[in-house]
Amino acid sequence: DTEVTQTPKHLVMGMTNKKSLKCEQHMGHRAMYWYKQKAKKPPELMFVYSYEKLSINESVPSRFSPECPNSSLLNLHLHALQPEDSALYLCASSQGPFGNQPQHFGDGTRLSIL
Amino acid sequence: GQQVMQIPQYQHVQEGEDFTTYCNSSTTLSNIQWYKQRPGGHPVFLIQLVKSGEVKKQKRLTFQFGEAKKNSSLHITATQTTDVGTYFCAALSAAHNAGNMLTFGGGTRLMVKP
Repeated sequence: DTEVTQTPKHLVMGMTNKKSLKCEQHMGHRAMYWYKQKAKKPPELMFVYSYEKLSINESVPSRFSPECPNSSLLNLHLHALQPEDSALYLCASSQGPFGNQPQHFGDGTRLSIL
Repeated sequence: GQQVMQIPQYQHVQEGEDFTTYCNSSTTLSNIQWYKQRPGGHPVFLIQLVKSGEVKKQKRLTFQFGEAKKNSSLHITATQTTDVGTYFCAALSAAHNAGNMLTFGGGTRLMVKP
């Protein structure tokens, strides 16, 4: 069981499509994260939201656009993606935006770009 | 940026054998966390180590933090098939200009033969 819920679980899209990934947590956590994970690699940090404000953007291309509508929700808007963007996209949350807090991960969205 | 090296990349063991994965940093760490990711799953937080020389145990798992706070290890005694997965360390640098986000090691993939 995971306390961080991600939808959809799988997504196949063309390079011209626009789609969104959604993440929700109800643990009262104030930091939320997007990670990208390629097969047999560690999670790679993309964005960090701290108290609903974007605090870290790890030089991610603009075809990925994060949004934090409220403290429980995190979205990742996708547009004009490339085949190399195919990966598992993980959302995580932690009590605070610091590296000394355990991170709780969702099941991820497995994204395939045709 | 900070680099965290994890070895070995892969380990095949016979069920009942012991297993150890090592995590090394060139810089002093503030803390280190360990995560387990089952095949097809998401990373799950196992433990956090903060103090120099700290040793923590969880049933058959023993976690150590080096005296210099630059390395850590995870040892599993008498592996079982349920231990299969990839074990990641994730470290926070103690350097003032390092930011406050975790850096993941490359992971050690454990396979257990029954």
